[in-house]
Amino acid sequence: AQSVSQHNHHVILSEAASLELGCNYSYGGTVNLFWYVQYPGQHLQLLLKYFSGDPLVKGIKGFEAEFIKSKFSFNLRKPSVQWSDTAEYFCAVRPSGTTDSWGKFQFGAGTQVVVTP
Amino acid sequence: DTGVSQNPRHKITKRGQNVTFRCDPISEHNRLYWYRQTLGQGPEFLTYFQNEAQLEKSRLLSDRFSAERPKGSFSTLEIQRTEQGDSAMYLCASSLSQGLVSHEQFFGPGTRLTVL
Repeated sequence: AQSVSQHNHHVILSEAASLELGCNYSYGGTVNLFWYVQYPGQHLQLLLKYFSGDPLVKGIKGFEAEFIKSKFSFNLRKPSVQWSDTAEYFCAVRPSGTTDSWGKFQFGAGTQVVVTP
Repeated sequence: DTGVSQNPRHKITKRGQNVTFRCDPISEHNRLYWYRQTLGQGPEFLTYFQNEAQLEKSRLLSDRFSAERPKGSFSTLEIQRTEQGDSAMYLCASSLSQGLVSHEQFFGPGTRLTVL
């Protein structure tokens, strides 16, 4: 069975610090990869996605992620965080393939990020 | 607002009662998904529809749970004989599937269920 692992459950950092959140998945085939964010009191929103091509993808609000196929990883990064980046971040994986019969996402447990002023 | 909407946003019920939630997806999206999220966890897949057809159900979806999407637009999720363990946030998402390609999912605000 496929699974998604997010290494940190809670991260606390100061404004202007750099952020990197780890995400590893287990699945032997081709995957689509996503990072979602949930700001306090809001619903899940897509930060960025990787389907194919350049493994370094850029998303909204200055976030980027790098897909390293050999490491089954899709880590999220932001060079300089702001207080408004306080949120919960979820990595999600979906197998892709010729049938697309598996439509559901597998989410990680999430990482709560708190940015202090 | 043309996003995914869910009603009600909150539901408090007594154990043993039945509850029904509604999800209205983005209008042109043909796929609709239900997830359950508990505190400290990511969303867990329950089931999904392609138009009106329910294509897959998780093992998490016991026989007390039933979902419908009768006209391929809105969907309902019913939980019969609720148990305290059913307390969670129930999320709905929709996406557009074109041929063999399925695009990213857009999530609704969720329905928070509390079973007393």
